[in-house]
Amino acid sequence: AQSVTQPDIHITVSEGASLELRCNYSYGATPYLFWYVQSPGQGLQLLLKYFSGDTLVQGIKGFEAEFKRSQSSFNLRKPSVHWSDAAEYFCAVGMDDMRFGAGTRLTVKP
Amino acid sequence: DTAVSQTPKYLVTQMGNDKSIKCEQNLGHDTMYWYKQDSKKFLKIMFSYNNKELIINETVPNRFSPKSPDKAHLNLHINSLELGDSAVYFCASSHLLQSGATLHFGNGTRLTVT
Repeated sequence: AQSVTQPDIHITVSEGASLELRCNYSYGATPYLFWYVQSPGQGLQLLLKYFSGDTLVQGIKGFEAEFKRSQSSFNLRKPSVHWSDAAEYFCAVGMDDMRFGAGTRLTVKP
Repeated sequence: DTAVSQTPKYLVTQMGNDKSIKCEQNLGHDTMYWYKQDSKKFLKIMFSYNNKELIINETVPNRFSPKSPDKAHLNLHINSLELGDSAVYFCASSHLLQSGATLHFGNGTRLTVT
């Protein structure tokens, strides 16, 4: 069965520092991979997605993610975090349905 | 021009009551979903409808009954509410996922059962 693991429940970074959020997936083939962000009191918004081709995917708000087949990973990165990036981040795999990881809560220190 | 709208935003009720949450999308999608997000932010799919037909029905108590009157609407009715039903319920819509479609979410309904 397909599954998604986000090993980090909570991450704190200083504003201006770089960020990497980890995601590992388990699936028989390469699934469609997504990162969503959830701000407090809001629904989820798509940051970026990977289907095939270039393994480095650019998204909105300066985020990017790299697909590594050998590691079954799809980690999210941002070079310089802004205070407004504080939110919950979800990795997801989608094929017949969409399965989400448990989420990583990002706190940004001033 | 909200894409996926769900009502109400907040719902506070007592155990044993019956309540409904409504969802509408104006994106022209053919698939709609209900997700439950618990207090630890874990998102679990409950139901999925494609063209008004149920295609995903996870292990959900039969007190939960989705109804899709047309492609643009998917409502969730909950009978005999229990304390454990307290959560945020999200409606979402998409084109067929096999095509790699993106989910579009509503802003959620926070259900509190007392």
